[in-house]
Amino acid sequence: EIVMTQSPATLSVSPGERATLSCRASQSVSSNLAWYQQKPGQAPRLLIYGASTRATGIPARFSGSGSGTEFTLTISSLQSEDFAVYYCQQYNNWPSLTFGGGTKVEIK
Amino acid sequence: QVQLQESGPGLVKPSETLSLTCTVSGGSISSYYWSWIRQPPGKGLEWIGYIYYSGSTNYNPSLKSRVTISVDTSKNQFSLKLSSVTAADTAVYYCAMDYGGNPPLYWGQGTLVTVSS
Repeated sequence: EIVMTQSPATLSVSPGERATLSCRASQSVSSNLAWYQQKPGQAPRLLIYGASTRATGIPARFSGSGSGTEFTLTISSLQSEDFAVYYCQQYNNWPSLTFGGGTKVEIK
Repeated sequence: QVQLQESGPGLVKPSETLSLTCTVSGGSISSYYWSWIRQPPGKGLEWIGYIYYSGSTNYNPSLKSRVTISVDTSKNQFSLKLSSVTAADTAVYYCAMDYGGNPPLYWGQGTLVTVSS
């Protein structure tokens, strides 16, 4: 099983600042990496797939990068609605999926 | 746009079988790929398993011995059965859809299932 590790567990950021979230895979997943945003009481929402392609309707302030085992999600200027938990997910072994433990982005 | 809705008992006794159904609207269940994913309270996401409309399945190895996922194309529904449940199976259960070889795009709102006597 591919293990996904996210860091940090919690990120404190002021509105308008940049947030950088990391995700590491225990073995290469090529570019088969997705990022999700989850707010309390809601289902996860797909933000990024293919490591760097924004899903339909996702604002340009969200960007993804990386390949192989190291990935990054960057939120260029945090808006109030961006404070949430973010998960990375590998689908290189589709249909088997594994998720990271999540990074909570909170208001500083 | 495809919409998914989970349904089933919110409370299951230990050692019994958890049963949930996902009803698909806005699209045919025969066109896409369907999965179950769960999230224990305050914790992360765990993929449970997968089904295609043909009935082909794939399960998380850690749950494989207890999981059955089935599909009913006539009702545009697919279902999850998890046997011999314990308190560790308490979670919000989500059904989700993808286009094949891609991450789940559409998700249901989730349903909380509590395992308790």
